Amino acid sequence: NAGVTQTPKFRVLKTGQSMTLLCAQDMNHEYMYWYRQDPGMGLRLIHYSVGEGTTAKGEVPDGYNVSRLKKQNFLLGLESAAPSQTSVYFCASSYAGANVLTFGAGSRLTVL
Amino acid sequence: KQEVTQIPAALSVPEGENLVLNCSFTDSAIYNLQWFRQDPGKGLTSLLLIQSSQREQTSGRLNASLDKSSGRSTLYIAASQPGDSATYLCAVGPDSWGKLQFGAGTQVVVTP
Repeated sequence: NAGVTQTPKFRVLKTGQSMTLLCAQDMNHEYMYWYRQDPGMGLRLIHYSVGEGTTAKGEVPDGYNVSRLKKQNFLLGLESAAPSQTSVYFCASSYAGANVLTFGAGSRLTVL
Repeated sequence: KQEVTQIPAALSVPEGENLVLNCSFTDSAIYNLQWFRQDPGKGLTSLLLIQSSQREQTSGRLNASLDKSSGRSTLYIAASQPGDSATYLCAVGPDSWGKLQFGAGTQVVVTP
């Protein structure tokens, strides 16, 4: 009963490098989300998806891209990492029309 | 734009005391409000969800109230235990999707 799994859990990048965070859920949820959490701030929504093949921008989408090619996976990409993207990233999922979210354990990203 | 505030940012109480955590929001047009618990290095766990038409929700030692007109919610934890030590976040949902607006959280330490 895995729930929401994020990989990798930790990553260190240099400025300008690219990477992809993977989120996988096994609950057949329609909706998936990427949030970031910074010290002293609440979680902020980056992008979300309401179904396979669909994505939409959240509150802080700049510098990120996402894809949802399969219902169970939601990928978050950084094409050219910047120090301002140092954060803890959380993926979450939910059934359609029910914003009771199941969160992953988080991915800590450091950009030097 | 919705602003969600949690004060205090941290508090410490002796075991057995009741905990009172506050959450305020600026826009009363909400769909629901949730309280989450976050343990260090882990994801968020949903504790209670209050629909906008409800005044309170209870689960075991936890009770959450909602006053939409004044933009406030309070989470009460009765007879606190060291295992209640965690960060508690409130989040406001503007609609039935998971585009939640989070507060920065209150870090709670319960001392034996």
